[in-house]
Amino acid sequence: GAVVSQHPSWVICKSGTSVKIECRSLDFQATTMFWYRQFPKQSLMLMATSNEGSKATYEQGVEKDKFLINHASLTLSTLTVTSAHPEDSSFYICSASAIAGGFTGELFFGEGSRLTVL
Amino acid sequence: AQKVTQAQTEISVVEKEDVTLDCVYETRDTTYYLFWYKQPPSGELVFLIRRNSFDEQNEISGRYSWNFQKSTSSFNFTITASQVVDSAVYFCALREMDSSYKLIFGSGTRLLVRP
Repeated sequence: GAVVSQHPSWVICKSGTSVKIECRSLDFQATTMFWYRQFPKQSLMLMATSNEGSKATYEQGVEKDKFLINHASLTLSTLTVTSAHPEDSSFYICSASAIAGGFTGELFFGEGSRLTVL
Repeated sequence: AQKVTQAQTEISVVEKEDVTLDCVYETRDTTYYLFWYKQPPSGELVFLIRRNSFDEQNEISGRYSWNFQKSTSSFNFTITASQVVDSAVYFCALREMDSSYKLIFGSGTRLLVRP
């Protein structure tokens, strides 16, 4: 089946540094990828919709200058947490939908990336 | 606006009991998809089912079954003869056609199956 891979699986960084998380669709092309954030014991909250070749669409309340999203190709989207602070510590999950599937296409999720900011 | 409500925060059952997880959704769209995902402690989301708004047939897959009722905007999930390995957080989600295809999740139900 279709696979979405995230890297790194976990990362620990110092406050003030920037962290980049990659999301790759391994065996299909994805025009659109989605980034979610999940705090402990909470639900997945959509942060932004990443569109290949264009600017990401951010959900209300998500700082676009803090969470930089780049979708440079049909198989790769990156999320960069800039000047990370302890409150940014969370589980970040991406998902992708195959081009051929359109609206009816299944969404495939990455394994998630756990960020801890010290 | 789309919304998914999972009123049950936590459920605890003894192994072999049947358990139903409730999901109620709100949408103005006539075309949408409903999903259930399982999230074990490892964190990875495991896809369980996808149902489109035009298909109200109930579905059974092994010990899992789903009851879709458009009249009550519900999409409930039943596990029959629960097992310890079923312990996880279960999320119901909605994908509207008019919302850039994004998936909106309910708050999740934590299921604990005790031996």
